[in-house]
Amino acid sequence: GIQVEQSPPDLILQEGANSTLRCNFSDSVNNLQWFHQNPWGQLINLFYIPSGTKQNGRLSATTVATERYSLLYISSSQTTDSGVYFCAVESYGGSQGNLIFGKGTKLSVKP
Amino acid sequence: DTEVTQTPKHLVMGMTNKKSLKCEQHMGHRAMYWYKQKAKKPPELMFVYSYEKLSINESVPSRFSPECPNSSLLNLHLHALQPEDSALYLCASSQVGLGEQYFGPGTRLTVT
Repeated sequence: GIQVEQSPPDLILQEGANSTLRCNFSDSVNNLQWFHQNPWGQLINLFYIPSGTKQNGRLSATTVATERYSLLYISSSQTTDSGVYFCAVESYGGSQGNLIFGKGTKLSVKP
Repeated sequence: DTEVTQTPKHLVMGMTNKKSLKCEQHMGHRAMYWYKQKAKKPPELMFVYSYEKLSINESVPSRFSPECPNSSLLNLHLHALQPEDSALYLCASSQVGLGEQYFGPGTRLTVT
């Protein structure tokens, strides 16, 4: 099956710093989503981005499908950005709706 | 309205109990999902319903029994669970076919 690798596994930032999170995947994908899981467990949709670039406020994402990676950029980080960031993909030709999650990047933003 | 709701938020049950988790969405989605997430691990797919029919069962033990009574509701019936089944259970929904999945807040289950 498709493999999803996220890096770095852990990241500690000072408030106001910028960061880049990476997601590599081993096969072609139909669907790629970035989520933020808050300390209470809620998975918050950040981007639905199987290809291209999107921006939403301080966050932006780029997926280069031909090279099988996606990047999530966080600018001017805030303490509320803390949590785990997951990349999840649905393999092209795989079972519909079967999102495969990476292991996540745990982000801690210090005041 | 991009909201998926789940009840209860927390559940503690003994190994001989029968309980149910409930999930509801009003986004007109016709695909609904159950995921299980153990502590410090990513979510893992359990079941997929498409047009109220079970389309994927990821080799889940029979002590977990899903049900989709209509296009807005998804239940997960629990019976004779083991302590290792303690986890966060997440429900999600999407359009059938290629679609962004939206997740509920989860039910945190503890089996004693």
